Amino acid sequence: KAGVTQTPRYLIKTRGQQVTLSCSPISGHRSVSWYQQTPGQGLQFLFEYFSETQRNKGNFPGRFSGRQFSNSRSEMNVSTLELGDSALYLCASSIDRGREQYFGPGTRLTVT
Amino acid sequence: GENVEQHPSTLSVQEGDSAVIKCTYSDSASNYFPWYKQELGKRPQLIIDIRSNVGEKKDQRIAVTLNKTAKHFSLHITETQPEDSAVYFCAASNERSSGSARQLTFGSGTQLTVLP
Repeated sequence: KAGVTQTPRYLIKTRGQQVTLSCSPISGHRSVSWYQQTPGQGLQFLFEYFSETQRNKGNFPGRFSGRQFSNSRSEMNVSTLELGDSALYLCASSIDRGREQYFGPGTRLTVT
Repeated sequence: GENVEQHPSTLSVQEGDSAVIKCTYSDSASNYFPWYKQELGKRPQLIIDIRSNVGEKKDQRIAVTLNKTAKHFSLHITETQPEDSAVYFCAASNERSSGSARQLTFGSGTQLTVLP
């Protein structure tokens, strides 16, 4: 089976812009979770989607949003970008909620 | 919600020695505990996991132990090699929860360096 894929892999944006990141889970996986990882930081949970519904949300401002499509693919959107949003954004898929998660390669977002 | 604490934050060992990383969790209902390894510039990869119905699980040089009473679990790596150098994350979840507890909660990570 193909692994989790994320596009784009690298992105450079300027403050105030918005960005959309995409995640394609492993075939058959229905849960997609998103994480933000900054240098020296751990995995900060953004949100989880299952069956096209947001099931959990981390402690991030409303500028961060997401959605999941009927084929389980997920997108996350960050509006009004700030310098502090520069990070590696990882998505992870699992066959069901709470089960082992498999991570994608991440999208490296740089905000200038 | 669940809170997972991980120690130490950095660990240096000589090649061939053993390394132990410890995590504690707060929610006694948590029943699934995976460990991830993240090499520099790479994605986190699941290396081993354990469920609350067992106390120990081994996979070659890697083992995980779980103490449900004390609410802590540990990763043991024996005969360490330079390629074991990475950041290791523990996590916990309740696979039977219908709410937020079903989401994996991660520890803050341990940077393991194996010195040749």
